[in-house]
Amino acid sequence: AQSVAQPEDQVNVAEGNPLTVKCTYSVSGNPYLFWYVQYPNRGLQFLLKYITGDNLVKGSYGFEAEFNKSQTSFHLKKPSALVSDSALYFCAVRDGRTGRRALTFGSGTRLQVQP
Amino acid sequence: GAGVSQSPSNKVTEKGKDVELRCDPISGHTALYWYRQRLGQGLEFLIYFQGNSAPDKSGLPSDRFSAERTGESVSTLTIQRTQQEDSAVYLCASSSSSASGQPYEQYFGPGTRLTVT
Repeated sequence: AQSVAQPEDQVNVAEGNPLTVKCTYSVSGNPYLFWYVQYPNRGLQFLLKYITGDNLVKGSYGFEAEFNKSQTSFHLKKPSALVSDSALYFCAVRDGRTGRRALTFGSGTRLQVQP
Repeated sequence: GAGVSQSPSNKVTEKGKDVELRCDPISGHTALYWYRQRLGQGLEFLIYFQGNSAPDKSGLPSDRFSAERTGESVSTLTIQRTQQEDSAVYLCASSSSSASGQPYEQYFGPGTRLTVT
C-alpha cells in the first residue's frame, strides 16, 4: 500500500523568509511524487513532480522540492516566501511499480505567510 | 484552452435522494479521476477511467456510488440514497496518459460541494 504523511497541519513563516513544507511517503516500488496547491474556493493546481533523475525538482511560482530516497521524503521549499503563497499544500505519491494510476494524497499543510 | 469543468458547483440534497455530478475533462485527456475531499482532510481516491479499459473502482466507498464515462469525454458520478457522511467536495481530474505508465500531472476541476441534510 502507498501512503503519504504531512506531519504539520500548519506552517507559519514571515514574508521574505525561506519556507519548508514537509512530506514523507511509503511505497513498495519507486515513487512518483507530486505537490499541489489549493487556494481558497479554487481547485488544486499542480506545482511540481519527481519521476526520476535529479533529486532537486523546480516547479511553478519559485517552488522546489528535494527528493531524499534514504529518508523517504519530498519536502517542498521556497527561498523567499510571499504573502500570496498562503494556501493549502498537498503532497501526493503514486507507486511506480504497480499499475494503479491514482494518486494518494497527504492530509494537507496550511501555509500562512505573515507580512 | 479550457480546463476541467464540473457541475453543479454546489448541490444541497435531502438524505435518501440520489444525486448526479458531472465532469467535463480537458479535451484530449484520456485519463479521468474522481476524488472526494471531506472538510479539513486530504483527497480520497474514488474511481479512475483510462480510455476503453475497465475502470479502477477500488476507491468507491460503497455500492451506492457509481460512475460512468462516455468514451474519452464527459463523466458522471452518481450517489444513490445519499447519507450525511457523503457531504464533501467531489473533485474531478484529467490527465494525458502513456502506454508506458509515465505519470502525467493531473489537472483538477473546481469541484462540486455536496451537502446532504
